[in-house]
Amino acid sequence: GAGVSQTPSNKVTEKGKYVELRCDPISGHTALYWYRQSLGQGPEFLIYFQGTGAADDSGLPNDRFFAVRPEGSVSTLKIQRTERGDSAVYLCASSSGGDGTRAGSTQYFGPGTRLLVL
Amino acid sequence: AQKVTQAQTEISVVEKEDVTLDCVYETRDTTYYLFWYKQPPSGELVFLIRRNSFDEQNEISGRYSWNFQKSTSSFNFTITASQVVDSAVYFCALSEGWDSNYQLIWGAGTKLIIKP
Repeated sequence: GAGVSQTPSNKVTEKGKYVELRCDPISGHTALYWYRQSLGQGPEFLIYFQGTGAADDSGLPNDRFFAVRPEGSVSTLKIQRTERGDSAVYLCASSSGGDGTRAGSTQYFGPGTRLLVL
Repeated sequence: AQKVTQAQTEISVVEKEDVTLDCVYETRDTTYYLFWYKQPPSGELVFLIRRNSFDEQNEISGRYSWNFQKSTSSFNFTITASQVVDSAVYFCALSEGWDSNYQLIWGAGTKLIIKP
């Protein structure tokens, strides 16, 4: 079946602009995650959705970052007033777990969106 | 606090050599999961293995094997008879507990270069 898809694959924007990054999880996966990866580093957790609600948004760096998942499937990560420091690869993952009894369900990742803020 | 350490930043070997990638973790939870992912130059993270804290059996999958030792908080990954296609960055990650916090805590990664 289809894996996690992310669009766009690359996004170049100017400082101060607003961007939206989209993630389409594996069909049937209830849990969805956003991570950010800077060059030469491991991914950094941003936010986790269980269904439509954000179960853990402790990784969002500040209030310029916001994510939604209105129908429990596709998610959009929104970044307002972008800064050069936001440049990174934004990764989305989904898993079938999250019901409280299946901790550690494997997260499957999309190809990422490479964001460059000029 | 939870932490994953991959002390080897980069490893370079000649094809067909065996290579071991080290991973040491810290957690206060008694229930946790450990993972290895591969990130080839294309950039997409590929899941390799998941191991829970109650299962210390080593695992072998083809040329890949994993050695989980709770006594030393290590979860090392060995590639036997390495191939050029194994060249990638390999990440070890930790997920704690049974409750709703499923975020993965990642090591910094080990870049593996397999020379022909």
